[in-house]
Amino acid sequence: DVKVTQSSRYLVKRTGEKVFLECVQDMDHENMFWYRQDPGLGLRLIYFSYDVKMKEKGDIPEGYSVSREKKERFSLILESASTNQTSMYLCASRLSWPSYNEQFFGPGTRLTVL
Amino acid sequence: AQKITQTQPGMFVQEKEAVTLDCTYDTSDQSYGLFWYKQPSSGEMIFLIYQGSYDEQNATEGRYSLNFQKARKSANLVISASQLGDSAMYFCAMREGFQGAQKLVFGQGTRLTINP
Repeated sequence: DVKVTQSSRYLVKRTGEKVFLECVQDMDHENMFWYRQDPGLGLRLIYFSYDVKMKEKGDIPEGYSVSREKKERFSLILESASTNQTSMYLCASRLSWPSYNEQFFGPGTRLTVL
Repeated sequence: AQKITQTQPGMFVQEKEAVTLDCTYDTSDQSYGLFWYKQPSSGEMIFLIYQGSYDEQNATEGRYSLNFQKARKSANLVISASQLGDSAMYFCAMREGFQGAQKLVFGQGTRLTINP
């Protein structure tokens, strides 16, 4: 079974702190994704990576950066956390081929910025 | 412009009834695909069903089927004989992008509640 793990289920940080959210997958997937989920807005893509060291901005990249140095790990970085980044963060991964492959999701990290 | 629209924020259904969750999409691509995911209160995202734009038949997976109407750009999820465990958020999503670097665009979701 594919497993996608995220470093924390719950995280509380203070405004201005640098925050790292880690995601690891164990199935050699090329593609990895970071989403944030807010009520009434569904899942919105922050960044994705289609291979090691490759990254693409999603729909809401402002205030975030990412790092993918190894195939299995994709990190989301909040350079200076703000209260409007309080949200649920979901990581996902998938094989790049074939196109009907679904994304597998991690359990999520609920981040609160005070 | 919204690419995926789920117009039902919440739905309440009696146990054992069938339920249809609406999803409309907007794309100018000829090749695309539509996914449905379930998110129970525990938070994990569970893949349910996939429909490709060139698939001639509607997708089915157990009690789940997808009512795909290409001309109307709709991809509604049908759950037959609903169960209490079907209570969850349901998300419709469309894949876009080039081969090898495809991403999903999600709708706002529908919260389904099954009443005993």
